[in-house]
Order: sequence, then structure tokens, then C-alpha cells
Amino acid sequence: GESVGLHLPTLSVQEGDNSIINCAYSNSASDYFIWYKQESGKGPQFIIDIRSNMDKRQGQRVTVLLNKTVKHLSLQIAATQPGDSAVYFCAENLNAGGTSYGKLTFGQGTILTVHP
Amino acid sequence: GAVVSQHPSRVICKSGTSVKIECRSLDFQATTMFWYRQFPKQSLMLMATSNEGSKATYEQGVEKDKFLINHASLTLSTLTVTSAHPEDSSFYICSARDSWQGHGYTFGSGTRLTVV
Repeated sequence: GESVGLHLPTLSVQEGDNSIINCAYSNSASDYFIWYKQESGKGPQFIIDIRSNMDKRQGQRVTVLLNKTVKHLSLQIAATQPGDSAVYFCAENLNAGGTSYGKLTFGQGTILTVHP
Repeated sequence: GAVVSQHPSRVICKSGTSVKIECRSLDFQATTMFWYRQFPKQSLMLMATSNEGSKATYEQGVEKDKFLINHASLTLSTLTVTSAHPEDSSFYICSARDSWQGHGYTFGSGTRLTVV
């Protein structure tokens, strides 16, 4: 079901550190997962995605890890920069095989603050 | 890449009036669009799935007579908040499903609705 968070968890890091943001998803049948970055007053911005047949996927400075056993996703950001400060959401999708995408359900979100 | 335009970005209306929000896919056809609502420091909550040429599918607890959705063309979906009340004040975000994009979803920039 949809996530209803009262207050988002926060993560504060120093510039240059690596950041790890975690997410627990709800549906064991979800087969496609996306991480989004949302800056204040803006819509979500795609960061990286992963399908359920994979455990790890790397992008530029970002890595997503998927543990289906415990329904857990993580987003690793290498050499975090002040511009990475934002709210990060994971999202899960059921039955995203091929080009058939269903509705996206968002996780709680984490506020990342990067200090210079 | 795929672009979704959402308009207006901000709107203030009086209680009891109606407000229309537009979501347009600019460079692709979107048979399916999604409408989300986001309260401050909370996650995105899916309100409804908008399907071109047919009735929208609303999530549990979302009043379809209050949040009217029209998806009359492959590039435009509208959300009308009818008889708005202060508790409807929120950030409304649309997304469009583009099966040609690797990650399938593109988000609009959101609409900040304030009901006074």
C-alpha cells in the first residue's frame, strides 16, 4: 500500500563522504524499483532503477542494492556534494515486465543534507 | 528526453471554488498518467490513475467527485479540485508513463495549491 510518513528521516553528511540511504518496500511481488531525488518545490527526478532479477546496479556516483529476501533497497552516493542535498525516495512497481508499467508506490523518503 | 509540463506551478484560491491543474506530455504520447498529492515533509501519495479515453481509477479514500480527472487526449490530463477547502492545500504532482523511456515514468514539476 501507499506510504504515509509523518516525518521524514534525515541523514547529514560532510561533503566528500559517501552516503547510504535505505528503504524498505512493501510488496514482495514488486519487480521494478526506482530511486528519485526531490528538491524543494519540484517534482521527483529519476536517479537510478533496478529490476528484481538484479542485486546491484551502478550509475554515475550512485549504486543501488536490492535485497529481495528482506525487501530492502539502498542507494549509495559516492563523494557526496552539497548539490546532492534533497529528499530521496524509493518507489516500487508491480508487474513492470517488458514495457508494461503499473502504478508506482513511493516509500517514506529520507532528507539528505550535505555540509560543505 | 521525455518532458512533462505541469501548469500552474502555484495557485491560490478561495474556499468553495474549483481549480484545474494541467499535465502535458510534451514530446511523447502518454496513454496513462498518474496524479499524486504530497503534504509537507511527507511522501507522494497516489491519488488516481488517468487513462486516455476512459474513466480514471481512484485510490481508496480519494473522492472521485471532488478530484475530477479528465484525460481527453494522449498528451493532456487535467485534475480539477472541486469546492476546494483549506485541507486540500497541498503539492499536486503528475507523472506520465512513457514506455519508450528506460524507466517508464516522467514527473511534472508539481503544483502548489493553497486554499484560503
